[in-house]
Order: sequence, then C-alpha cells, then structure tokens
Amino acid sequence: TQLLEQSPQFLSIQEGENLTVYCNSSSVFSSLQWYRQEPGEGPVLLVTVVTGGEVKKLKRLTFQFGDARKDSSLHITAAQPGDTGLYLCAGVDDSWGKFQFGAGTQVVVTP
Amino acid sequence: DAEITQSPRHKITETGRQVTLACHQTWNHNNMFWYRQDLGHGLRLIHYSYGVQDTNKGEVSDGYSVSRSNTEDLPLTLESAASSQTSVYFCASSEFSGTNYNEQFFGPGTRLTVL
Repeated sequence: TQLLEQSPQFLSIQEGENLTVYCNSSSVFSSLQWYRQEPGEGPVLLVTVVTGGEVKKLKRLTFQFGDARKDSSLHITAAQPGDTGLYLCAGVDDSWGKFQFGAGTQVVVTP
Repeated sequence: DAEITQSPRHKITETGRQVTLACHQTWNHNNMFWYRQDLGHGLRLIHYSYGVQDTNKGEVSDGYSVSRSNTEDLPLTLESAASSQTSVYFCASSEFSGTNYNEQFFGPGTRLTVL
C-alpha cells in the first residue's frame, strides 16, 4: 500500500498570512490531486498535477508536484477565512486505478 | 445538473444489525467508490467498481459488501454492524480518461453511528 503523509496535521493562522502544506510519499504517482473539504460536505477537487516539477496556480493557491512525482505542496498567499477547511492530497496510480488519500491538513484562518 | 447523492444523511443503528447506505450518481460515470473517513486516517477505500457487475475490495473491506446492478447506483451494506464501523461514509464517482483519471465527485456523506 502506498502511503501519503501530509504535514502539518493542523495549522492555525491569521488572515493575511501565508501558509504551506505538504504531501509526501515514498512511491511514485501518475498524478496527484488536491481537494478541500468543508464541515458536513464531501471533498471538492482543487487541482490535478501530472508532470514532475509542474506548478499550477489557482488565484492565491500555488500547487507544485515534485520532480520525482513523489511529493507535492500547496501554498496559500494572503490567507482568508474562506480558505478554512481540510486539505487532502490524493495520489493516483494508473496501475491499480485507485486514489490513495492522505490524512489531511486542517487549516483554520481567523479574521 | 448532474450530481451524486447519498441516503440517509444520518443513521443510528445497533450492533449486529444489517445496514445499507445508498449512493446514486447522475454523471453516468463508470467508476464508483466508497470511503470511510475517521479522524487521523483521512479517507480509506472500502470498495470500488469500474462498471456494472464489477466490484472490488479496497483496503478496509472486511464487514462490508457492495453490488453494482446499474451504472447509477452502488449501495454499501454492513452485514452485521459493529461499533468500529461508526464513521462518516462517502461515495464518489469518476471517469477514466486516457492516462489520467479525472476528478472524483463526492457525495455529501452519511454519518453512521453504531451503538
């Protein structure tokens, strides 16, 4: 079983600060996805990265896939209370066609 | 609009009872998944299906079963509910596209409590 480790588990910051969360594995994934989950709801996809070294930006969110396709990071610039949520990374392995999820990073942004 | 729904949203049952959680999607996706979410463990795969009549075990399949008689539905059955199965259950669907999987669309979840 491929394991995805996310760090930190919990992050509390003030509005306007920057933050970075990490997703690491010892295994290579075909692609990696980041989801955000709000209380009482299912996760919602933010981005998919597929190429080693790829960087994608979604407004104030920057996603990077490691060169070896084993790790990824999510950086949020000038965080806002609306960024509060559980951030999950999911690795996709084409050989067995399933998603492997990390345990998530709970982000709380206070006004 | 296409969607994925789960029912019930909340369920309380007793140890030893059989429980079925429903999942219905109108995306016309071939792939459907059941996960459970517990604090500190993230989402763990219970069962999944790549199409009608196809079912496969995930990493935490003991005590659970699924059946796929049509594209839209993948019900999850707990044969004899145990307190360890108290959790939030999520159903998801996706479509395989070329060499990369598209996003998974998740239902709103079912909170199951086994007393």
